[in-house]
Amino acid sequence: ETGVTQSPTHLIKTRGQQVTLRCSSQSGHNTVSWYQQALGQGPQFIFQYYREEENGRGNFPPRFSGLQFPNYSSELNVNALELDDSALYLCASSLRLAGIDNEQFFGPGTRLTVL
Amino acid sequence: GENVEQHPSTLSVQEGDSAVIKCTYSDSASNYFPWYKQELGKGPQLIIDIRSNVGEKKDQRIAVTLNKTAKHFSLHITETQPEDSAVYFCAASYSGTYKYIFGTGTRLKVLA
Repeated sequence: ETGVTQSPTHLIKTRGQQVTLRCSSQSGHNTVSWYQQALGQGPQFIFQYYREEENGRGNFPPRFSGLQFPNYSSELNVNALELDDSALYLCASSLRLAGIDNEQFFGPGTRLTVL
Repeated sequence: GENVEQHPSTLSVQEGDSAVIKCTYSDSASNYFPWYKQELGKGPQLIIDIRSNVGEKKDQRIAVTLNKTAKHFSLHITETQPEDSAVYFCAASYSGTYKYIFGTGTRLKVLA
């Protein structure tokens, strides 16, 4: 069984640019959630994908968007980067069965720095 | 709005002592409460969880208690070891939303 993987591990961008972060879910999982973790803070929910559709969204603007693919992997896209977008971006995968939420397992994260 | 408060923000204990971290949640519909351990440069790792139909759960040196009436839940680590040093996060979720609301974290230092 493979765990959650994310790429890249680190990324440096400049203000106004666009970025795509990638996540491969744990084997057997069908749901992916994305979180933003600012330095010294707890993770903040961005959105969740299930069956290739967004299944809930936190308090993040539309320039944060995502995709889920048929193999359950996922992308997080951020347009028009701002300095405050600098953070650790975490992907978590889980298995949804018959409406029951199961444990979310996190990847190692992508550290994004916006200059 | 939904909120989870976590205390203390830092905690130092001597090796072998116990550590307790407390969280309070605001949404009475929350029914699932996981605890995560995050080491430097890594993603959060699930260490124990509890659902609202259970008052206490134990796994070796780690236990979690839940008081639904007071909307409190706590993590207890006994016989602490230096490798327990990390940042610990509590979270609360409601099965209908599937999103986790995290606390602000507790930095635990176990002194040898």
